[in-house]
Amino acid sequence: DAGVIQSPRHEVTEMGQEVTLRCKPISGHNSLFWYRQTMMRGLELLIYFNNNVPIDDSGMPEDRFSAKMPNASFSTLKIQPSEPRDSAVYFCASSVNYSNQPQHFGDGTRLSIL
Amino acid sequence: KQEVTQIPAALSVPEGENLVLNCSFTDSAIYNLQWFRQDPGKGLTSLLLIQSSQREQTSGRLNASLDKSSGRSTLYIAASQPGDSATYLCAVTGRGTNAGKSTFGDGTTLTVKP
Repeated sequence: DAGVIQSPRHEVTEMGQEVTLRCKPISGHNSLFWYRQTMMRGLELLIYFNNNVPIDDSGMPEDRFSAKMPNASFSTLKIQPSEPRDSAVYFCASSVNYSNQPQHFGDGTRLSIL
Repeated sequence: KQEVTQIPAALSVPEGENLVLNCSFTDSAIYNLQWFRQDPGKGLTSLLLIQSSQREQTSGRLNASLDKSSGRSTLYIAASQPGDSATYLCAVTGRGTNAGKSTFGDGTTLTVKP
């Protein structure tokens, strides 16, 4: 059974460039979460979707960040334009539902903005 | 705003010891509390999920308890092994106005020495 799949695993790009992170949740999972992890701030929830609909995006740091979930098997997190302070590990997680089922995490995308 | 605190930040024990990790949270309006394990360079692996109506959950050598009224949870690891070395994070999922939002602690980094 495939877990949550994220791509790319690593991304290095120059500031000002557009960055797109991708996530394929576990089949049958209705909730999808995007997190960011840094040494300074720990693990932070950016946005989560339920049945492909964004429910809470209050964790998205700025308008430079956007997320979409066009269907149940795919989501993207986009940063445009990117800045060095966006450097972090970005995780995607999914669960059957957010209230009483565990979240399953992907291996993350390590993003470095030069 | 929900705040999650984990104590201690780091713990080193000899192999075979029983140990307890602590997690506290400020807002008792939660759906559940989840304990995760994170290995270096990897995503999070769910260990145990306790619903708000439950007092404890057990899986193998792990036992997690929840006292929602006091805002506390503990993760008990019996007969620790070097393979248990990792960072352990707890997370609470809110309800009501924070429905579905997960807040994570900063983790306890455990080292089990052979």
